[in-house]
Amino acid sequence: GQQVMQIPQYQHVQEGEDFTTYCNSSTTLSNIQWYKQRPGGHPVFLIQLVKSGEVKKQKRLTFQFGEAKKNSSLHITATQTTDVGTYFCAGTYIKNTDKLIFGTGTRLQVFP
Amino acid sequence: DGGITQSPKYLFRKEGQNVTLSCEQNLNHDAMYWYRQDPGQGLRLIYYSQIVNDFQKGDIAEGYSVSREKKESFPLTVTSAQKNPTAFYLCASSIDRGRGGYTFGSGTRLTVV
Repeated sequence: GQQVMQIPQYQHVQEGEDFTTYCNSSTTLSNIQWYKQRPGGHPVFLIQLVKSGEVKKQKRLTFQFGEAKKNSSLHITATQTTDVGTYFCAGTYIKNTDKLIFGTGTRLQVFP
Repeated sequence: DGGITQSPKYLFRKEGQNVTLSCEQNLNHDAMYWYRQDPGQGLRLIYYSQIVNDFQKGDIAEGYSVSREKKESFPLTVTSAQKNPTAFYLCASSIDRGRGGYTFGSGTRLTVV
């Protein structure tokens, strides 16, 4: 079936260091969304990318959608302890845009 | 405030019993979804509904059933046929078939005892 892979599975960083998570699909995506889930919480929508090569920024977070619309990345500059959580990418495919397929997630731990 | 309410937050079930998880939204969203999350893993789609009185199977529908009699409500029944029901269940809704993101409820943690 359609799968969205995410790496790394875990990342531990010192506060102030940068962090990047990568998302890959074997099939072209219609769009990609990013979510953050705090420990014990539920996923919260961060952003959606639709266009090939699109780049969007939210304060210290930078989101990119690949030219082929098969990969995406989330980069956090100068991490803070409030960034702790699991970051998921989720994509829809052209053949069925009704279904959002989630990646496996990257758990970020930030040490003060 | 608009949002999605899932109840109960914690649920314990004996083996062989059916149990129904509630999901209610007051966001006036057309689409609703049920996901299952296992420890350290991503979300897997169980069922989804784009409109009242219609729903489709997701990737792991076996052992589950749903109904969509009202726009606001999308209950999920975990039947005794579900072999491994212990998990965190998340309900979500969206406007315009997911474009613009999903809004999630706070989840129900189901444990089979």
